[in-house]
Amino acid sequence: GAGVSQTPSNKVTEKGKYVELRCDPISGHTALYWYRQSLGQGPEFLIYFQGTGAADDSGLPNDRFFAVRPEGSVSTLKIQRTERGDSAVYLCASGGGPRGEQFFGPGTRLTVL
Amino acid sequence: EDKVVQSPLSLVVHEGDTVTLNCSYEVTNFRSLLWYKQEKKAPTFLFMLTSSGIEKKSGRLSSILDKKELFSILNITATQTGDSAVYLCAVAKGDMRFGAGTRLTVKP
Repeated sequence: GAGVSQTPSNKVTEKGKYVELRCDPISGHTALYWYRQSLGQGPEFLIYFQGTGAADDSGLPNDRFFAVRPEGSVSTLKIQRTERGDSAVYLCASGGGPRGEQFFGPGTRLTVL
Repeated sequence: EDKVVQSPLSLVVHEGDTVTLNCSYEVTNFRSLLWYKQEKKAPTFLFMLTSSGIEKKSGRLSSILDKKELFSILNITATQTGDSAVYLCAVAKGDMRFGAGTRLTVKP
């Protein structure tokens, strides 16, 4: 596609539920990043894929968060046993160059009630 | 610990004014510094800087990097109301570390 797409655009769930957030990167981009952004703050790094493998998952806050990219394209961020503190906008970005330029998707706004 | 610090946190100006936004950083394995504009959800790319002293320019926006003093500035001349947004600075080091942003409001 022309840009990075993310689905759903909004997700409302109840505390304790499981959610999956999807990211479709720009075709051909090898790098894919997940961030989350809370109100009034910059994006916070979660995990970075180079191809199919997680090159750096040091930003995942705890073991309730997990992400996959099985074929090196689409990625899914999975959150188990959601908590109210997980509420944020989850941004995905893809990039293909060695210097780190990234293009962002529109984000998924997650609200945990 | 890696840090990216932006200042000011917010700024209110009138149309036609010139503004300078600041970004200082302390990160390991620096590759490049990027500026983004965020109006709604998705940050949109403005500049990528990798070398000191070389100004990048796009219309009324320009940016420069100082790798010795570890900072960058983003200048916007003749501001317009459409420039109102949060401007994010980020340092690429494999992953990307963002500052908290500067919220710019341009009043008519």
